[in-house]
Amino acid sequence: AAGVIQSPRHLIKEKRETATLKCYPIPRHDTVYWYQQGPGQDPQFLISFYEKMQSDKGSIPDRFSAQQFSDYHSELNMSSLELGDSALYFCASSRWGSQRETQYFGPGTRLLVL
Amino acid sequence: DQQVKQNSPSLSVQEGRISILNCDYTNSMFDYFLWYKKYPAEGPTFLISISSIKDKNEDGRFTVFLNKSAKHLSLHIVPSQPGDSAVYFCAASRLNDMRFGAGTRLTVKP
Repeated sequence: AAGVIQSPRHLIKEKRETATLKCYPIPRHDTVYWYQQGPGQDPQFLISFYEKMQSDKGSIPDRFSAQQFSDYHSELNMSSLELGDSALYFCASSRWGSQRETQYFGPGTRLLVL
Repeated sequence: DQQVKQNSPSLSVQEGRISILNCDYTNSMFDYFLWYKKYPAEGPTFLISISSIKDKNEDGRFTVFLNKSAKHLSLHIVPSQPGDSAVYFCAASRLNDMRFGAGTRLTVKP
């Protein structure tokens, strides 16, 4: 069965650069969630989208923005990168309605900011 | 591909009884396993973990069991309390690769 796809899997950037992370949900899933997991920390909820609209907002910095497109894939745009942005970024998807709390996580994108 | 599976999307248990949440994985290379508890619009919060060299780890009311031959782990909560109601994710990792299950919603009824 198809899973959540995240690209790239690894990314190295320098301070003040920008980065775009992509997430492709499981087919027919309409909700996407983004999480940031720093070293030795729990994943922190950043933001979620349902049907291309922002549904919940967590601890997403103002330097970050995200959107969900008509094909339901989502992109997390990160600008003015800081060293502290180095983390594992997970995307998860679900289908609104029954079992909406069932979230299928992608493998993550590991971002390293130098 | 789902390398970590939680086949029960929901579980309902009476307060004071045992809650058993199950998780299966396919990749025998995973060597560290974790359980997370999650509330809506929050990230998963670490609960308990187990290394592949062990078959049991206990922390208060929470015990995780690992059966490597069956590629199966379970989380036991005893006694269950209403405050335990949440979505529980299992995760398996090796080096920098971590994979999550899809979660099981636990409801503990008073």
